[in-house]
Amino acid sequence: SYVLTQPPSVSVAPGKTARITCGGNNIGSKSVHWYQQKPGQAPVLVIYYDSDRPSGIPERFSGSNSGNTATLTISRVEAGDEADYYCQVWDSSSDPHVVFGGGTKLTVL
Amino acid sequence: QVQLQESGPGLVKPSETLSLTCAVSGYSISSGYYWGWIRQPPGKGLEWIGSIYHSGSTYYNPSLKSRVTISVDTSKNQFSLKLSSVTAADTAVYYCARQGLGGGSPNWFDPWGQGTLVTVSS
Repeated sequence: SYVLTQPPSVSVAPGKTARITCGGNNIGSKSVHWYQQKPGQAPVLVIYYDSDRPSGIPERFSGSNSGNTATLTISRVEAGDEADYYCQVWDSSSDPHVVFGGGTKLTVL
Repeated sequence: QVQLQESGPGLVKPSETLSLTCAVSGYSISSGYYWGWIRQPPGKGLEWIGSIYHSGSTYYNPSLKSRVTISVDTSKNQFSLKLSSVTAADTAVYYCARQGLGGGSPNWFDPWGQGTLVTVSS
């Protein structure tokens, strides 16, 4: 079964850049999607197809994907960006299924 | 604007079947997209349960497949989840979401319902 590995936590000062990684075997060959989840709320899609932003998502959010690592980058971090972030792929194996990473807690110092 | 709303019992007894419905407004299920169920145990991460196309084609999480049934009712513009033989480990917030298509396969989830907490306890 395909596994996505995220760091449990990332800390960043306001105004700096946060990078959250998502590791997986040859993940660069898959499309990666990212979600932001604030406490008590449903997840919100912030990046799809590795680097596309849905309407309404600030340009500060960007994504990349190559080799064995996908990265969500948040520039000029704000206090309101503090949340859990999850990566997700579609694993088109012999038994196709959705895979989520374990999630990363972003703390704004 | 597409909106999804989960509904169903908030308390289910062990060994019984959990049943939830997701009502969709602002978009016709028959028009396309996959429609999925995702759950999140308290304090833990997201776990995909399964997804269904408007035609009835389904994909299920291999680890839950033996206990899960997802169905769609296009006349009511809703889809449903049944999870059998539940235990305390099935206690979670259950979300429904629309799932975008990419390359002919289900991909990202957007938007999501607000979620509903289901507790398994006697």
